[in-house]
Amino acid sequence: DVKVTQSSRYLVKRTGEKVFLECVQDMDHENMFWYRQDPGLGLRLIYFSYDVKMKEKGDIPEGYSVSREKKERFSLILESASTNQTSMYLCASSLDGPGSYNSPLHFGNGTRLTVT
Amino acid sequence: AQKITQTQPGMFVQEKEAVTLDCTYDTSDPSYGLFWYKQPSSGEMIFLIYQGSYDQQNATEGRYSLNFQKARKSANLVISASQLGDSAMYFCAMREGDSGYSTLTFGKGTMLLVSP
Repeated sequence: DVKVTQSSRYLVKRTGEKVFLECVQDMDHENMFWYRQDPGLGLRLIYFSYDVKMKEKGDIPEGYSVSREKKERFSLILESASTNQTSMYLCASSLDGPGSYNSPLHFGNGTRLTVT
Repeated sequence: AQKITQTQPGMFVQEKEAVTLDCTYDTSDPSYGLFWYKQPSSGEMIFLIYQGSYDQQNATEGRYSLNFQKARKSANLVISASQLGDSAMYFCAMREGDSGYSTLTFGKGTMLLVSP
């Protein structure tokens, strides 16, 4: 069974702090994703990565960056946290390649971040 | 234009009844896949069912079935014999293209409440 682990379930940070959200998956998946979830807005893609050291911007990358130094780990970085980044953050992973078009995303349990 | 539209913010159903959650999508790509996820109050995203654009049959997984109407661009989730544990947020999502390299775009979700 795929396991995607997010390091923190709840996090409270102050405005202006640099924040790291960590995500690790144990199924050797090539693809990893960061979404944020807000009431009434669904899930919106922040960044994703198809391989080590590569990253692609999603729909709402502003104010965020990512790091993927190892295949199993994908970190989301808030360079200078702001109150409008208070949200639920969901990490996911999936298989890649032409044969995996029906491969679902496997999600972690989420990190609820509050920026005060 | 939104790629995935879920028009029902909330739905109520009595236990043991069937319920349909609506999802319409917008794409010009002939190859695409549609996914449904369940998110209980605990927060984890649970993959329920997948339908490919070229699949001839409607997908079924236990009590879940997908009413796929390609010409109408709709992919409604049908839950038969609702249970109290079905109370959750439900998200429809789409992957465009036939490789695993494209991302999933999510709708805003429908909250389902099952009453005794």
